[in-house]
Parts: sequence; structure tokens; C-alpha cells
Amino acid sequence: DAEITQSPRHKITETGRQVTLACHQTWNHNNMFWYRQDLGHGLRLIHYSYGVHDTNKGEVSDGYSVSRSNTEDLPLTLESAASSQTSVYFCASGSTTGAGELFFGEGSRLTVL
Amino acid sequence: AQKITQTQPGMFVQEKEAVTLDCTYDTSDPSYGLFWYKQPSSGEMIFLIYQGSYDQQNATEGRYSLNFQKARKSANLVISASQLGDSAMYFCAMRGRNTDKLIFGTGTRLQVFP
Repeated sequence: DAEITQSPRHKITETGRQVTLACHQTWNHNNMFWYRQDLGHGLRLIHYSYGVHDTNKGEVSDGYSVSRSNTEDLPLTLESAASSQTSVYFCASGSTTGAGELFFGEGSRLTVL
Repeated sequence: AQKITQTQPGMFVQEKEAVTLDCTYDTSDPSYGLFWYKQPSSGEMIFLIYQGSYDQQNATEGRYSLNFQKARKSANLVISASQLGDSAMYFCAMRGRNTDKLIFGTGTRLQVFP
């Protein structure tokens, strides 16, 4: 069965360190997204990609970057982690056909100390 | 700019009763899609139901139905015959025209009690 997986599921890091969260999907979707979930804010879009070598900023992109070198993967990098980036991060992918609903990974809980 | 508003931080419902979770939206796009997702305590995001802005009928999926009132810009989720397993966070989301990204509301936590 097709799926979308995130790793690591849990990570603790220190302020100033670089962190990369991996996202891998086997749906063969062109569209991939990174969201962060914080209490009282719901899910907010960080970055997204509509295909290989395409990346776009979302509403909360400062301090984050992504790259898309193939269809399956969209890693999210925190260049210099800050305590404000402590959050749960969700990767999602979706098709351009049909309703266009997104399929989500299980989430990555990041704690920045 | 597009915006989704969920004004109910929390809701309680007794098992077997129906419950309505509110969602209002704001967009200037003539064509858009509305979605509801469920997030149980385990954390995963589960797609429940979709409504297109030009759909003539309200969407239904099993015990879930979407009460779509275009003029009021509301897309409320109705869960019939609530079950204990329906206890979860529920998110309303919208996709505008010419974009595939979803904008989410802040969510409503539903608790079903026996």
C-alpha cells in the first residue's frame, strides 16, 4: 500500500543546531507540503512543492528550508533551531486530481532546548 | 486572503446523539474546496469529507455530512449517532482556486461521553 512516512518521529535538539526532518511518500504525488501544529493555531503551512525542483514558501517559512530532488522526498531543514520551533511537524502529499485531499504522515515531534 | 474560522474550541456530546461542528470561511475565489479532517489522540490526520463550491448537494460519507451554506460561507460538519471513538480534534480546511495547498482552522476538540 502507498504511504507517507516521516522520520524521526521524536527529536530533541539544542538551540542553534541544524535539524532535518525527512518525509518520504510512495503515492507518486507531485504535491508535497510541510505543516507545523501548535496549540491554538491549528496547522500552519511552512513550505510546499508542486514537483521536482519546485519549492514555495508558506505562511510561516522563516527559519525553514526545503528541497525537492525527486518525487518521493521533501526534507525540511531548520538551519539554526530556535525554541520557537518546538512543535509537531506534519508532512503531507496530494494529487491534483479528484478532491485533492492531502494524505498526512504520522508527524514528527521536535523539541528545541 | 483565505481564512478558516472554527469558533468552538471544545464540544461535548452524548453517545448516539448528533453533533454539529462549526466552520466558516472567507475567500474571494469563485471556485474552492472544503475539507474536514479528524485527529485522534494518537496524532494522525484522517481525511473525512470534501465539498466542492459548485457541488449542488451537501456531501455525505457514512455518519458524516457537510452542511454547506454558500451564502453564509459556512461548512459545518454534522456527525450523526456519535460514538466514543469520535472523540478527537476536528479540523476544517479550504483549498482555493489554482492552488493545491490547504489552509486549516484552529480545530474543535470533540468529546463523546457515555
